[in-house]
Amino acid sequence: AQKVTQAQTEISVVEKEDVTLDCVYETRDTTYYLFWYKQPPSGELVFLIRRNSFDEQNEISGRYSWNFQKSTSSFNFTITASQVVDSAVYFCALSEAEEGAQKLVFGQGTRLTINP
Amino acid sequence: NAGVTQTPKFRVLKTGQSMTLLCAQDMNHEYMYWYRQDPGMGLRLIHYSVGEGTTAKGEVPDGYNVSRLKKQNFLLGLESAAPSQTSVYFCASTRYRGVSPLHFGNGTRLTVT
Repeated sequence: AQKVTQAQTEISVVEKEDVTLDCVYETRDTTYYLFWYKQPPSGELVFLIRRNSFDEQNEISGRYSWNFQKSTSSFNFTITASQVVDSAVYFCALSEAEEGAQKLVFGQGTRLTINP
Repeated sequence: NAGVTQTPKFRVLKTGQSMTLLCAQDMNHEYMYWYRQDPGMGLRLIHYSVGEGTTAKGEVPDGYNVSRLKKQNFLLGLESAAPSQTSVYFCASTRYRGVSPLHFGNGTRLTVT
Protein backbone atom coordinates (compact mmCIF):
# COMPACT_ATOMS: atom_id res chain seq x y z
CA ALA A 1 0.00 0.00 0.00
CA GLN A 2 1.05 3.55 -0.61
CA LYS A 3 1.93 5.80 2.28
CA VAL A 4 3.45 9.24 2.67
CA THR A 5 4.87 10.45 5.97
CA GLN A 6 5.72 14.01 6.84
CA ALA A 7 7.06 13.63 10.34
CA GLN A 8 7.44 17.37 10.98
CA THR A 9 4.04 18.64 12.02
CA GLU A 10 5.14 22.24 12.52
CA ILE A 11 8.33 24.18 11.83
CA SER A 12 9.05 27.75 12.85
CA VAL A 13 12.11 29.68 11.67
CA VAL A 14 13.25 33.25 11.42
CA GLU A 15 13.22 34.96 8.04
CA LYS A 16 16.29 34.34 5.86
CA GLU A 17 17.02 30.98 7.47
CA ASP A 18 17.12 27.88 5.28
CA VAL A 19 14.56 25.21 6.07
CA THR A 20 14.06 21.62 4.89
CA LEU A 21 10.74 19.81 4.90
CA ASP A 22 11.01 16.05 5.03
CA CYS A 23 8.91 13.56 3.06
CA VAL A 24 9.24 9.78 3.23
CA TYR A 25 7.11 7.51 1.09
CA GLU A 26 6.25 3.83 0.75
CA THR A 27 5.21 2.09 -2.45
CA ARG A 28 5.59 -1.32 -4.05
CA ASP A 29 5.56 0.06 -7.59
CA THR A 30 8.70 0.83 -9.56
CA THR A 31 6.92 3.61 -11.46
CA TYR A 32 5.44 6.36 -9.38
CA TYR A 33 5.19 10.13 -9.13
CA LEU A 34 5.87 12.46 -6.25
CA PHE A 35 4.37 15.91 -5.77
CA TRP A 36 4.65 18.88 -3.46
CA TYR A 37 1.74 21.27 -2.90
CA LYS A 38 1.62 24.51 -0.94
CA GLN A 39 -1.46 25.64 0.99
CA PRO A 40 -1.11 29.31 2.04
CA PRO A 41 -3.32 30.81 4.76
CA SER A 42 -5.92 31.67 2.11
CA GLY A 43 -6.59 27.93 1.79
CA GLU A 44 -6.08 27.08 -1.85
CA LEU A 45 -3.72 24.29 -2.94
CA VAL A 46 -0.86 25.37 -5.17
CA PHE A 47 1.12 22.83 -7.19
CA LEU A 48 4.90 23.19 -6.76
CA ILE A 49 6.59 20.20 -8.39
CA ARG A 50 6.10 16.73 -9.87
CA ARG A 51 8.90 14.17 -10.09
CA ASN A 52 8.79 10.66 -11.56
CA SER A 53 10.58 7.71 -10.05
CA PHE A 54 13.06 7.42 -12.90
CA ASP A 55 14.41 10.93 -12.55
CA GLU A 56 16.59 11.26 -9.48
CA GLN A 57 18.14 14.56 -10.45
CA ASN A 58 17.69 17.27 -7.89
CA GLU A 59 15.67 20.25 -9.02
CA ILE A 60 16.06 23.90 -8.20
CA SER A 61 13.55 26.65 -8.85
CA GLY A 62 14.65 29.97 -7.44
CA ARG A 63 14.81 29.62 -3.66
CA TYR A 64 13.16 26.21 -3.78
CA SER A 65 15.00 22.94 -4.26
CA TRP A 66 14.02 19.30 -4.07
CA ASN A 67 16.18 16.30 -3.20
CA PHE A 68 14.87 12.93 -4.41
CA GLN A 69 16.63 9.84 -3.04
CA LYS A 70 15.18 6.48 -3.99
CA SER A 71 17.61 4.67 -1.71
CA THR A 72 15.96 6.24 1.33
CA SER A 73 12.48 6.71 -0.22
CA SER A 74 12.63 10.41 0.46
CA PHE A 75 11.66 13.53 -1.45
CA ASN A 76 12.71 16.48 0.68
CA PHE A 77 11.99 20.12 0.00
CA THR A 78 14.34 22.96 0.94
CA ILE A 79 13.58 26.66 0.99
CA THR A 80 16.69 28.83 0.95
CA ALA A 81 16.65 32.30 2.51
CA SER A 82 13.07 31.88 3.68
CA GLN A 83 10.59 34.73 3.49
CA VAL A 84 7.40 35.48 5.40
CA VAL A 85 5.40 34.72 2.25
CA ASP A 86 6.65 31.13 2.45
CA SER A 87 4.49 30.60 5.54
CA ALA A 88 2.03 27.87 4.60
CA VAL A 89 1.16 24.22 5.03
CA TYR A 90 3.16 22.05 2.65
CA PHE A 91 1.97 18.66 1.47
CA CYS A 92 3.95 15.87 -0.12
CA ALA A 93 1.95 13.37 -2.22
CA LEU A 94 2.44 10.13 -4.14
CA SER A 95 0.72 8.66 -7.20
CA GLU A 96 1.33 5.23 -8.68
CA ALA A 97 -0.62 5.79 -11.91
CA GLU A 98 1.18 6.26 -15.19
CA GLU A 99 -2.02 7.01 -17.04
CA GLY A 100 -5.52 7.72 -15.99
CA ALA A 101 -6.85 8.91 -12.69
CA GLN A 102 -4.25 10.44 -10.41
CA LYS A 103 -5.34 9.09 -7.05
CA LEU A 104 -2.87 10.99 -4.96
CA VAL A 105 -2.01 9.86 -1.45
CA PHE A 106 -1.06 12.84 0.68
CA GLY A 107 1.13 13.18 3.72
CA GLN A 108 -0.18 14.83 6.85
CA GLY A 109 1.32 18.18 5.93
CA THR A 110 3.94 20.40 7.58
CA ARG A 111 2.92 23.83 8.82
CA LEU A 112 5.79 26.22 8.16
CA THR A 113 5.87 29.58 9.90
CA ILE A 114 8.45 32.17 8.89
CA ASN A 115 8.84 34.86 11.53
CA PRO A 116 10.07 38.34 10.60
CA ASN B 1 -9.79 31.50 -16.54
CA ALA B 2 -12.06 30.03 -13.88
CA GLY B 3 -10.38 26.60 -13.62
CA VAL B 4 -12.14 24.59 -10.91
CA THR B 5 -15.02 26.28 -9.09
CA GLN B 6 -16.65 24.94 -5.94
CA THR B 7 -19.95 26.06 -4.46
CA PRO B 8 -20.78 26.86 -1.76
CA LYS B 9 -17.67 28.14 0.02
CA PHE B 10 -19.08 27.64 3.51
CA ARG B 11 -22.00 25.71 4.94
CA VAL B 12 -23.31 24.77 8.35
CA LEU B 13 -25.60 21.75 8.63
CA LYS B 14 -27.43 20.10 11.46
CA THR B 15 -26.97 16.37 12.00
CA GLY B 16 -29.22 14.44 9.65
CA GLN B 17 -29.62 17.18 7.06
CA SER B 18 -28.61 16.64 3.46
CA MET B 19 -26.73 18.78 1.01
CA THR B 20 -24.91 18.72 -2.31
CA LEU B 21 -21.55 20.27 -3.08
CA LEU B 22 -21.03 21.33 -6.66
CA CYS B 23 -17.74 21.27 -8.54
CA ALA B 24 -17.43 22.73 -12.03
CA GLN B 25 -14.35 22.80 -14.28
CA ASP B 26 -13.91 24.58 -17.59
CA MET B 27 -10.68 22.89 -18.70
CA ASN B 28 -12.34 19.95 -20.47
CA HIS B 29 -10.63 17.55 -18.05
CA GLU B 30 -11.68 13.91 -18.08
CA TYR B 31 -10.91 13.10 -14.48
CA MET B 32 -12.42 14.68 -11.42
CA TYR B 33 -11.92 14.02 -7.70
CA TRP B 34 -13.34 14.86 -4.30
CA TYR B 35 -10.97 15.04 -1.32
CA ARG B 36 -11.54 15.94 2.30
CA GLN B 37 -8.95 17.67 4.45
CA ASP B 38 -8.84 17.14 8.19
CA PRO B 39 -6.25 18.44 10.68
CA GLY B 40 -3.26 16.13 10.99
CA MET B 41 -4.51 13.80 8.25
CA GLY B 42 -3.70 15.59 5.04
CA LEU B 43 -6.12 15.13 2.15
CA ARG B 44 -7.98 11.87 1.62
CA LEU B 45 -9.76 10.79 -1.55
CA ILE B 46 -13.52 10.32 -1.19
CA HIS B 47 -14.67 9.51 -4.73
CA TYR B 48 -13.42 10.13 -8.21
CA SER B 49 -14.64 9.96 -11.81
CA VAL B 50 -12.81 8.94 -14.97
CA GLY B 51 -15.42 10.42 -17.30
CA GLU B 52 -19.00 11.49 -17.78
CA GLY B 53 -21.41 8.98 -16.28
CA THR B 54 -18.74 7.14 -14.25
CA THR B 55 -17.81 7.26 -10.56
CA ALA B 56 -15.57 5.20 -8.31
CA LYS B 57 -14.80 4.95 -4.60
CA GLY B 58 -11.70 6.39 -3.07
CA GLU B 59 -10.18 5.86 0.35
CA VAL B 60 -13.04 7.24 2.49
CA PRO B 61 -16.32 6.91 0.53
CA ASP B 62 -18.76 6.01 3.33
CA GLY B 63 -21.52 8.53 3.91
CA TYR B 64 -21.08 10.22 0.53
CA ASN B 65 -22.53 9.81 -2.93
CA VAL B 66 -21.39 11.38 -6.18
CA SER B 67 -22.66 11.95 -9.68
CA ARG B 68 -21.07 13.03 -12.96
CA LEU B 69 -23.98 13.65 -15.32
CA LYS B 70 -22.03 16.22 -17.32
CA LYS B 71 -18.31 16.18 -18.07
CA GLN B 72 -17.73 19.56 -16.51
CA ASN B 73 -19.59 18.92 -13.23
CA PHE B 74 -18.94 16.57 -10.32
CA LEU B 75 -21.43 16.59 -7.44
CA LEU B 76 -20.78 15.36 -3.92
CA GLY B 77 -23.82 14.54 -1.83
CA LEU B 78 -24.29 13.98 1.89
CA GLU B 79 -27.64 12.27 2.45
CA SER B 80 -27.62 12.41 6.26
CA ALA B 81 -24.83 14.59 7.58
CA ALA B 82 -22.88 13.56 10.68
CA PRO B 83 -20.47 15.59 12.85
CA SER B 84 -17.63 13.35 11.58
CA GLN B 85 -18.18 14.90 8.16
CA THR B 86 -17.12 18.32 9.40
CA SER B 87 -14.20 19.03 7.12
CA VAL B 88 -12.86 21.09 4.26
CA TYR B 89 -13.78 19.54 0.92
CA PHE B 90 -11.68 20.01 -2.17
CA CYS B 91 -12.57 19.18 -5.72
CA ALA B 92 -9.84 18.62 -8.32
CA SER B 93 -9.49 17.68 -11.96
CA THR B 94 -6.83 16.35 -14.31
CA ARG B 95 -6.60 15.84 -18.05
CA TYR B 96 -6.82 12.45 -19.73
CA ARG B 97 -3.33 11.83 -20.97
CA GLY B 98 -0.17 11.53 -18.95
CA VAL B 99 0.55 12.39 -15.39
CA SER B 100 -0.53 15.92 -14.79
CA PRO B 101 -0.86 17.75 -11.48
CA LEU B 102 -4.28 18.04 -9.94
CA HIS B 103 -5.99 21.38 -10.41
CA PHE B 104 -7.83 22.13 -7.17
CA GLY B 105 -10.81 24.30 -6.39
CA ASN B 106 -10.70 26.68 -3.44
CA GLY B 107 -12.49 24.35 -1.07
CA THR B 108 -15.79 24.19 0.81
CA ARG B 109 -15.73 24.44 4.59
CA LEU B 110 -18.53 22.31 6.01
CA THR B 111 -19.51 22.22 9.66
CA VAL B 112 -22.04 19.67 10.94
CA THR B 113 -23.44 20.41 14.38
